[in-house]
Amino acid sequence: NAGVTQTPKFRVLKTGQSMTLLCAQDMNHEYMYWYRQDPGMGLRLIHYSVGEGTTAKGEVPDGYNVSRLKKQNFLLGLESAAPSQTSVYFCASSYSFASTDTQYFGPGTRLTVL
Amino acid sequence: AQSVTQLDSQVPVFEEAPVELRCNYSSSVSVYLFWYVQYPNQGLQLLLKYLSGSTLVESINGFEAEFNKSQTSFHLRKPSVHISDTAEYFCAVSRSGGSYIPTFGRGTSLIVHP
Repeated sequence: NAGVTQTPKFRVLKTGQSMTLLCAQDMNHEYMYWYRQDPGMGLRLIHYSVGEGTTAKGEVPDGYNVSRLKKQNFLLGLESAAPSQTSVYFCASSYSFASTDTQYFGPGTRLTVL
Repeated sequence: AQSVTQLDSQVPVFEEAPVELRCNYSSSVSVYLFWYVQYPNQGLQLLLKYLSGSTLVESINGFEAEFNKSQTSFHLRKPSVHISDTAEYFCAVSRSGGSYIPTFGRGTSLIVHP
């Protein structure tokens, strides 16, 4: 049982390049989330998904796209990377969408955009 | 909407000393409260949460937090810290009674010195 895994762990991009971050979970969770973590800012929600084939915008969605083609995977795409997207990206999943539920986080992807 | 304030960005402490990490929230409705911990180079993991009932909640590794509704606080405490407690601690709040994604605070870095 690997929990939540993220690929890649590190990446350096040049401005304007594109990339996709992959999140996978093996807990059969319905709900998945993408956050970014910046110093002094805590975690901010980018996009989330309430089930296969569905996505929704979070607090800071601009410049990102997501897809949830399979229940276990949640992809985060950057079409044209900008230095402001330098951050640590965390994926999380939860069993339910209830406010009481715990979120399970992956180890993060550290992205640098030059 | 809910908001969370973690007043201290960094808390240095010596090993075996007591520690308190402060968390205050703002909400016009009832809430659930969470503390997550992020060890170096890892994702966040749930430390403890308050949903209802006893206002004092405990974790398995000696941390405790007390929900104080009148002061809108959920401070995290430990009577004697270890080097291994060095980590980033995030307070989070979620609106009760439905399906709401939690709002995370900016985090407090606990640094335990030998």
